[in-house]
Amino acid sequence: DAMVIQNPRYQVTQFGKPVTLSCSQTLNHNVMYWYQQKSSQAPKLLFHYYDKDFNNEADTPDNFQSRRPNTSFCFLDIRSPGLGDTAMYLCATSRGTGGVYNEQFFGPGTRLTVL
Amino acid sequence: GNSVTQMEGPVTLSEEAFLTINCTYTATGYPSLFWYVQYPGEGLQLLLKATKADDKGSNKGFEATYRKETTSFHLEKGSVQVSDSAVYFCALRAAGNKLTFGGGTRVLVKP
Repeated sequence: DAMVIQNPRYQVTQFGKPVTLSCSQTLNHNVMYWYQQKSSQAPKLLFHYYDKDFNNEADTPDNFQSRRPNTSFCFLDIRSPGLGDTAMYLCATSRGTGGVYNEQFFGPGTRLTVL
Repeated sequence: GNSVTQMEGPVTLSEEAFLTINCTYTATGYPSLFWYVQYPGEGLQLLLKATKADDKGSNKGFEATYRKETTSFHLEKGSVQVSDSAVYFCALRAAGNKLTFGGGTRVLVKP
């Protein structure tokens, strides 16, 4: 089945120790998104890629970076995690951003804990 | 800016009870509206959607009608099951396919 896969499902890291979260998709979608969801809160868009074009949200901290080496994979890098970065990180994809091609398909999420 | 407000939970119901979760929005233009469901430990799943005024989205017994005059998109289900226990998010989609979510409503259905 075509799907959005996130690895790992659970990640624990230490304060200040860089961490990378992975997302892959078999849907061959052009757009990939990263959301941050803190406990009992709504998901918040961090950034997205349309093909190789990177689109950062204005209030995303500089500590958060992303890479998309090919259509299938997208990575979220947190350079120096703080305790406040403990959250669920959701990856989503869509075929496009307009019309009937804009439905977003979400992965299961990676739960990150910063100690 | 765009915003979505939904009723706070948790909402606790008995099996076969009627469920309503209120959702109102503020947006420029004519956004598309969505309900997503998140089961424990999982990502978001699209439950239903409506793309223009008076559209009714429906899926798995859930329904919601896009009401432009009241800027609302309330979610309803006539008879809930234990398996409906989850967190439900109302969302709108604006330009650039950006989703704005409400705060989520946790629903707990007891046998």
